[in-house]
Amino acid sequence: QSALTQPASVSGSPGQSITISCTGTSSDVGGYNYVSWYQQHPGKAPKLMIYDVSKRPSGVSNRFSGSKSGNTASLTISGLQAEDEADYYCSSYTSSSTYVFGTGTKVTVL
Amino acid sequence: EVQLVESGGGLVQPGGSLRLSCAASGFTFSSYWMHWVRQAPGKGLVWVSRINSDGSSTSYADSVKGRFTISRDNAKNTLYLQMNSLRAEDTAVYYCARGRSGGDWGQGTLVTVSS
Repeated sequence: QSALTQPASVSGSPGQSITISCTGTSSDVGGYNYVSWYQQHPGKAPKLMIYDVSKRPSGVSNRFSGSKSGNTASLTISGLQAEDEADYYCSSYTSSSTYVFGTGTKVTVL
Repeated sequence: EVQLVESGGGLVQPGGSLRLSCAASGFTFSSYWMHWVRQAPGKGLVWVSRINSDGSSTSYADSVKGRFTISRDNAKNTLYLQMNSLRAEDTAVYYCARGRSGGDWGQGTLVTVSS
């Protein structure tokens, strides 16, 4: 149950687009379309942003989108805004009927 | 409005036990999978355990298997995590989350394992 690999940090200027990667294996990310993405502001509970690779929950901005290719999932934030500055985590269902989170990515808006 | 309220956290000595609760409201609790997720101070999210809607199926992270037990009481709309043989590395904020994808989360309860 090794954590999925995410870049430690990603930054961008307001209005730009950024992409966060989430790399796993064929036993998790690559094997199932059950990848989710969460946003967490300091001191707050995580918030679901994307589920089932690319679906957006009601109320989440369409500036957030998800995709997957092979063993790597990606979260793209377009039209970056100051309020997007937060930690982001991916998660995936695994072949062991468990779940695993990514290592987390700190997004900084320059 | 969906509400998840965790309770039961606190300071416990290594080797001790603690039972966390997650009181659910605003939705049909018995229809949803539920998860426990933890976050050590300054660290990332770690999945701990999940239970299906009627409690007949559970799974655990290797790090807690054999020590933690997840359960639910659908009549009381409450999720539980029984934690035994606690270790210093179990120190974390514990969150409960609703649904297969964790669509809603509680505010968390802090568990500190220290002598």
